[in-house]
Amino acid sequence: AQKITQTQPGMFVQEKEAVTLDCTYDTSDPSYGLFWYKQPSSGEMIFLIYQGSYDQQNATEGRYSLNFQKARKSANLVISASQLGDSAMYFCAMRGNTGTASKLTFGTGTRLQVTL
Amino acid sequence: ETGVTQTPRHLVMGMTNKKSLKCEQHLGHNAMYWYKQSAKKPLELMFVYNFKEQTENNSVPSRFSPECPNSSHLFLHLHTLQPEDSALYLCASSQETSSGNTGELFFGEGSRLTVL
Repeated sequence: AQKITQTQPGMFVQEKEAVTLDCTYDTSDPSYGLFWYKQPSSGEMIFLIYQGSYDQQNATEGRYSLNFQKARKSANLVISASQLGDSAMYFCAMRGNTGTASKLTFGTGTRLQVTL
Repeated sequence: ETGVTQTPRHLVMGMTNKKSLKCEQHLGHNAMYWYKQSAKKPLELMFVYNFKEQTENNSVPSRFSPECPNSSHLFLHLHTLQPEDSALYLCASSQETSSGNTGELFFGEGSRLTVL
């Protein structure tokens, strides 16, 4: 079984500052993938960044980077230079090596509020 | 604009009604999903279709009935629902290959269901 834990129900960050959203995971699969999604108030889940368990380097996508610490089973999302439009729910998710289709297990999410 | 569209965006129904949620993906993907998002709970995978064949039914009550007539369309038929079924229902799609990929899911904006 796979489990994703996001311990921060809500976070505040000032505009232009960096913020780290925590995610820890648990799995017995030797190969897995970790994802972060953003969900604005419109409801759509927007893919942000992906990290494979065998990737040697931390993933980066623009202002998003994933701080992957395999031994600690953590995959924290770092958003640099926060913008007002970053205010949303953020979900960490995992895909295990479980055969067909991309079945993702999600955490409970962190609500990020960017302030002036 | 999202490549996955869901209709209706909002639905209110009584417990004795029969309604359907519709999802259409314009991305040429071969796998489609239904997820349920309830307040303060992780997203719950309900159904997975891969090449139009149902490959996953996550112990979903029979009052939810999925239908996948082709790889671009996915329906969720609803009947005799309960108030606890009120939630945001998210449709997603992905492109699955035998050689593996990131497993990124593309989501629609969801259908907000309220059962009275």
